Amino acid sequence: SQQGEEDPQALSIQEGENATMNCSYKTSINNLQWYRQNSGRGLVHLILIRSNEREKHSGRLRVTLDTSKKSSSLLITASRAADTASYFCATDKVIIQGAQKLVFGQGTRLTINP
Amino acid sequence: GAVVSQHPSRVICKSGTSVKIECRSLDFQATTMFWYRQFPKKSLMLMATSNEGSKATYEQGVEKDKFLINHASLTLSTLTVTSAHPEDSSFYICSALFTGGGFTDTQYFGPGTRLTVL
Repeated sequence: SQQGEEDPQALSIQEGENATMNCSYKTSINNLQWYRQNSGRGLVHLILIRSNEREKHSGRLRVTLDTSKKSSSLLITASRAADTASYFCATDKVIIQGAQKLVFGQGTRLTINP
Repeated sequence: GAVVSQHPSRVICKSGTSVKIECRSLDFQATTMFWYRQFPKKSLMLMATSNEGSKATYEQGVEKDKFLINHASLTLSTLTVTSAHPEDSSFYICSALFTGGGFTDTQYFGPGTRLTVL
């Protein structure tokens, strides 16, 4: 089965610096999504990038997708303390009736130091 | 944006009892909802896909008699952990699939339920 794997597993940087997290997967996908999870909370959807897209921006977020390498990266620019969270990539697998099923990576725990 | 709620947010129960967790899509209808389980500092593992008006589809290794799922309406899915044991203690998260508009193929997640079985 396909599985997203993020690296690094943990990242600690100073406020204001940029944070880059990577995700690799094993099988073909339709979409790849990034989610944020604060400790003990649910997931917040950040951005979706389709397999025919190479780059997408949303505010301070920049996501790239390289389907030839089966990898994606999430860049957070000008990081803030509030960005401290775990970040997960999720790849999709189409199941019956067109509904998707997501497979999550292990996540990157990002800590922004003030 | 689309909002999904879960109730309760935390529950502590004795071993052998059953616990019901509700997942509601508050401002959209969801024919498909998903239930995940997450261990501390680990990723989310899909347990089952809940389909409104039909039986849930369980992932390999998930006991359907242990984790009962009911998706009785387009805005509500419930997960019942039957005869709970300490090893069932975990963080349970649901999501609802939002289709249509500019947000096709997006799952919106609930805030999670922390289950502790004593």
